[in-house]
Amino acid sequence: DQQVKQNSPSLSVQEGRISILNCDYTNSMFDYFLWYKKYPAEGPTFLISISSIKDKNEDGRFTVFLNKSAKHLSLHIVPSQPGDSAVYFCAASRLEGAQKLVFGQGTRLTINP
Amino acid sequence: DAGVTQSPTHLIKTRGQQVTLRCSPKSGHDTVSWYQQALGQGPQFIFQYYEEEERQRGNFPDRFSGHQFPNYSSELNVNALLLGDSALYLCASSLALGNEKLFFGSGTQLSVL
Repeated sequence: DQQVKQNSPSLSVQEGRISILNCDYTNSMFDYFLWYKKYPAEGPTFLISISSIKDKNEDGRFTVFLNKSAKHLSLHIVPSQPGDSAVYFCAASRLEGAQKLVFGQGTRLTINP
Repeated sequence: DAGVTQSPTHLIKTRGQQVTLRCSPKSGHDTVSWYQQALGQGPQFIFQYYEEEERQRGNFPDRFSGHQFPNYSSELNVNALLLGDSALYLCASSLALGNEKLFFGSGTQLSVL
């Protein structure tokens, strides 16, 4: 039962353009959503998060949008930079600060110069 | 300030053996969680330890057990290893109180032959 899904295993974007990564979830009990970024041979690092009471959260080049009715969230990166090339994981939890996160399968983002 | 440290980085075992993985949390953190990341998948929650007790558990069999020590470090033990236990095992730490995000270690890559 895949409660969090990232349907695009990979995405290739030109440097300077917008990268949009998508995530869907099925469990309506999820109240908090996070994006983690993972480089090879490193652990996932926290990128940005959003509470279910909001529909948008912005941090520099990164913006996360949440559509609760569609059970869908997306991460926008503008402008995309070569250092953004990594695997991005969407994760969900029942509350902020929870230890138990449910992760999607990840999307490998490649930024081309 | 050291982050989450895990040892060993790589490990090769044979079916039926037992393995112990170790984790030291980020300085100041008191809660440790363990995740299993199979190839091509997102991390999957195994369990969480706080105050030397297992507080939450994911959908993993009893062959997976853990321990937390008074200095907050933790061990993950897996008995009767199966080929399907081959994965990257990630340790994450945080504070039990508050809304701090999980900090992940670089993981232990376990191969079961």
